[in-house]
Amino acid sequence: DIQMTQSPSSLSASVGDRVTITCQASQDISNYLNWYQQKPGKAPKLLIYDASNLETGVPSRFSGSGSGTDFTFTISSLQPEDIATYYCQQYDNLPLITFGQGTRLEIK
Amino acid sequence: QVQLQESGPGLVKPSETLSLTCGVSGHSISTGYYWGWIRQPPGKGLEWIGSIYHTGSTYYNPSLKSRVTISLDTSKNQFSLKLTFVTAADTAVYYCARQRRDGYNYVDYWGQGTLVTVSS
Repeated sequence: DIQMTQSPSSLSASVGDRVTITCQASQDISNYLNWYQQKPGKAPKLLIYDASNLETGVPSRFSGSGSGTDFTFTISSLQPEDIATYYCQQYDNLPLITFGQGTRLEIK
Repeated sequence: QVQLQESGPGLVKPSETLSLTCGVSGHSISTGYYWGWIRQPPGKGLEWIGSIYHTGSTYYNPSLKSRVTISLDTSKNQFSLKLTFVTAADTAVYYCARQRRDGYNYVDYWGQGTLVTVSS
């Protein structure tokens, strides 16, 4: 099974800050990685697919990069509405998918 | 617009079977997607439980495979989850979801989630 290691587990930042989350796969998954945002009491929402493609309607301050085993998710300028938990998710062997442990993002 | 809605008991006794149904509107489950279940224990991360393809082929998380059954009911446009011999560790919000595999390989629609508590 492919394991996803996401870090940090929690993060506190100020409005306007650049925020970076990393995700590492236990084996090469090419660009088979998605990023989701989950707000309390809600289902996750897709932000980035195939490691770097912005989902339609998602603000351009969100971006993703990486391939192979190492991936990065970035918010270029943190906004108050970005407070949420973020998850990476691999899909090397559809439909089997695994998620990272999540990164809880708070406003400082 | 595709909508998914979970239904089922919110409380299940230990050692019994958890049964949930996901009603789908806005799309026929008989056409080309995976229909799956994902759960989230309180305060924890997301775990894929399993999925069923529109043909009826099933795929399960190896860690749960011995206890999970997912099935389709195309006449009602719904799919179901059964998880046997539950314990407190199975307490979670259960989401039903649609997984794409058409070059856009992600979960694009989710139900609102339903909390199932395992307790006597």
